[in-house]
Amino acid sequence: AQSVSQHNHHVILSEAASLELGCNYSYGGTVNLFWYVQYPGQHLQLLLKYFSGDPLVKGIKGFEAEFIKSKFSFNLRKPSVQWSDTAEYFCAVKGYGNKLVFGAGTILRVKS
Amino acid sequence: EPEVTQTPSHQVTQMGQEVILRCVPISNHLYFYWYRQILGQKVEFLVSFYNNEISEKSEIFDDQFSVERPDGSNFTLKIRSTKLEDSAMYFCASSGLRGAYEQYFGPGTRLTVT
Repeated sequence: AQSVSQHNHHVILSEAASLELGCNYSYGGTVNLFWYVQYPGQHLQLLLKYFSGDPLVKGIKGFEAEFIKSKFSFNLRKPSVQWSDTAEYFCAVKGYGNKLVFGAGTILRVKS
Repeated sequence: EPEVTQTPSHQVTQMGQEVILRCVPISNHLYFYWYRQILGQKVEFLVSFYNNEISEKSEIFDDQFSVERPDGSNFTLKIRSTKLEDSAMYFCASSGLRGAYEQYFGPGTRLTVT
């Protein structure tokens, strides 16, 4: 069965700090990987996705993620966070079938 | 930019009552989904729907649940006899092509069963 593990439930950073949120998945076949973000009071929005090709993918708002197949990881990074990045971040995997399997989410709070 | 919409934003119902949650997917999308998130827990897949039939469902999606696309725009989730444990945020999503495109999510309906 597919599963996704996010390492940190809460992260607090100061503005301009670098961000890395860990995500590991469990699935032996071909996967599609996603990071979604949920800003306070808003719906889930796609930050970035990996389907194939270059394992370093760039998304919106300066976010990027690296797919490392050997480590079953898809970590999210941003070199310099802003207060407006305060949100909850979800890693998700789509393997067999169409359903997305989500991690538990990481709540990021950026202090101004 | 087209988006998925859901109504109502918040529904309060008594245990044992039927509820219908409504979604309007993005107009040219072909696949439709329902997910739920119980407070403090992960977002969980419930069901996917394509070509007017269920294509995949989870163990959560038992006989109390049903989905329907009654016309060309709406996609509904019905819970026949709600239980306290059905209290959750329910998200609708849609996507364009099987396996090729990301799922776009609606804002969710918060269902509270009392």
